[in-house]
Amino acid sequence: SAVISQKPSRDICQRGTSLTIQCQVDSQVTMMFWYRQQPGQSLTLIATANQGSEATYESGFVIDKFPISRPNLTFSTLTVSNMSPEDSSIYLCSVVVGNTNTEAFFGQGTRLTVV
Amino acid sequence: AQSVSQHNHHVILSEAASLELGCNYSYGGTVNLFWYVQYPGQHLQLLLKYFSGDPLVKGIKGFEAEFIKSKFSFNLRKPSVQWSDTAEYFCAVKPGTGGYNKLIFGAGTRLAVHP
Repeated sequence: SAVISQKPSRDICQRGTSLTIQCQVDSQVTMMFWYRQQPGQSLTLIATANQGSEATYESGFVIDKFPISRPNLTFSTLTVSNMSPEDSSIYLCSVVVGNTNTEAFFGQGTRLTVV
Repeated sequence: AQSVSQHNHHVILSEAASLELGCNYSYGGTVNLFWYVQYPGQHLQLLLKYFSGDPLVKGIKGFEAEFIKSKFSFNLRKPSVQWSDTAEYFCAVKPGTGGYNKLIFGAGTRLAVHP
């Protein structure tokens, strides 16, 4: 299993500013994932972050808007850049332990409100 | 495009009632299937998972789900719900069974159980 800590748990930000969300895992994991859950909607994968390589972004998400760092096997950050009210959402960090036939573990999420 | 549909967005039940939450996915190949639960104020937790074998899967807290390949379905059931089952439930699909563990989530079903 894995225990994931996300910081901050919530924040209210002014439009045009940026917020960096941190994700710390209690064990080394190869793959870390960042999801977004907009109000009333499903979780949507933003990107996959592997240590030592650039993040892989899903369709509709770009590095300039959501830069990701993955400096080691237990830590990652997601930055939401130049925020607008449409970025108001819950952002979740997730990890998979092992390569196949395993479950994903989730952090408690960061609730972001952009005003 | 791959997608996951959850039939009910909101379900209200009385304690001891039976529960069935529908989940259908669109993907023609082999899949891994999951149900996650999010209790109020807590992070996503795995309820149960299906990888292969017996299509009737038993999870924690008395939940079970049945994989019906011909119907592309993975419905969640519980014979008698409790007030503590009040939560949001997410069906998720991982297309393919190999290394990359991207999950596709349904929109979620919010369950309220009244005493």
